Amino acid sequence: EDQVTQSPEALRLQEGESSSLNCSYTVSGLRGLFWYRQDPGKGPEFLFTLYSAGEEKEKERLKATLTKKESFLHITAPKPEDSATYLCAVNDGTSGSRLTFGEGTQLTVNP
Amino acid sequence: NAGVTQTPKFQVLKTGQSMTLQCAQDMNHNSMYWYRQDPGMGLRLIYYSASEGTTDKGEVPNGYNVSRLNKREFSLRLESAAPSQTSVYFCASRGNSGTMNEQFFGPGTRLTVL
Repeated sequence: EDQVTQSPEALRLQEGESSSLNCSYTVSGLRGLFWYRQDPGKGPEFLFTLYSAGEEKEKERLKATLTKKESFLHITAPKPEDSATYLCAVNDGTSGSRLTFGEGTQLTVNP
Repeated sequence: NAGVTQTPKFQVLKTGQSMTLQCAQDMNHNSMYWYRQDPGMGLRLIYYSASEGTTDKGEVPNGYNVSRLNKREFSLRLESAAPSQTSVYFCASRGNSGTMNEQFFGPGTRLTVL
């Protein structure tokens, strides 16, 4: 059974204070690791897909990296508008390309 | 493109009442999904439809039924609502190229069962 664990559950940063969120996963055969952003009262918004260990992707202040056991979402010099819950999910390639989600990390960036 | 749309946005039901949550996508996607999101539980898959005419159970299907009405629409029905079904429900769809495309989510339906 696929498992996804995200840490920390919540993170408070000052504006400009860089940090990383962690996503540890157990999957029989990874066919993609996904990062989403979710704002309060809204649906998850897609950020990145990573397919193989060593891969990195960047978007503005966010950079996602992948190893064989975990993924990191690095946030460089965050701004208050980066405050959101960040979700990690894995696809093991089973029927329907189902995703298994972690519980998320709630990020708050204070001005 | 509107993307994935869901109706209603909010709903309050009494125990035992029935209702249908509607979902539509305008991206010509083959696959569609229904999730529920509860505090401390993350997003959990209820049912999915890999293509028009097919549906399959996910992680938590008990108490729900689905209908893939056509390629665009995928509905979720609660036949006899229970307080344990109080949750936020999200519909999603996925692109058609291979198995590694991202899922796009709707805005959600917030359901309370009294």
